[in-house]
Amino acid sequence: GQSLEQPSEVTAVEGAIVQINCTYQTSGFYGLSWYQQHDGGAPTFLSYNGLDGLEETGRFSSFLSRSDSYGYLLLQELQMKDSASYFCAVRRYSGNTPLVFGKGTRLSVIA
Amino acid sequence: GAGVSQSPSNKVTEKGKDVELRCDPISGHTALYWYRQSLGQGLEFLIYFQGNSAPDKSGLPSDRFSAERTGGSVSTLTIQRTQQEDSAVYLCASQTSGSRHEQFFGPGTRLTVL
Repeated sequence: GQSLEQPSEVTAVEGAIVQINCTYQTSGFYGLSWYQQHDGGAPTFLSYNGLDGLEETGRFSSFLSRSDSYGYLLLQELQMKDSASYFCAVRRYSGNTPLVFGKGTRLSVIA
Repeated sequence: GAGVSQSPSNKVTEKGKDVELRCDPISGHTALYWYRQSLGQGLEFLIYFQGNSAPDKSGLPSDRFSAERTGGSVSTLTIQRTQQEDSAVYLCASQTSGSRHEQFFGPGTRLTVL
């Protein structure tokens, strides 16, 4: 079977930094993606890691350690609009393939 | 339009009825995916189309579910004899071929089976 584990909820203060962890156990691993979903909205792509290390995109960074089957999403300078659900998703093979999603982490940013 | 569109946005049906959900992917995207999202849960893969290849149906939960993609573009997901456990948001995503990693999602169809 395929499983991805991430915390169900995280609360952080506006302006702070928050890290959302994801551990995975899948048959096949090619890369790890992160998606953001606001309530009632569509998931939108944030970041992708195909190799070990850190990828930075503005306020968001994502990290992958293939040997530990572990990744995280780092959000800096939190804003109220960052309140949303964040999903890690495993790409199991190269090319266009379905993603295996975690159950999501609901981030609440408070003033 | 520039994005993935889905219709209807909401569908309420009675148990036992058939429903059809439509997805219009981004023009030129060769891959099309259907996922299902139950309340407070992650996305569950249902079926995947890539170009003219046979679809990957490995995620379909039962033979009541089927999907087709006509002309390599629009896709329809059909659920026959709906059950209450089919209630969920059905999301469609499309993707270009090549090395890009991003799947572009539509807004979803919220299905409620009474």
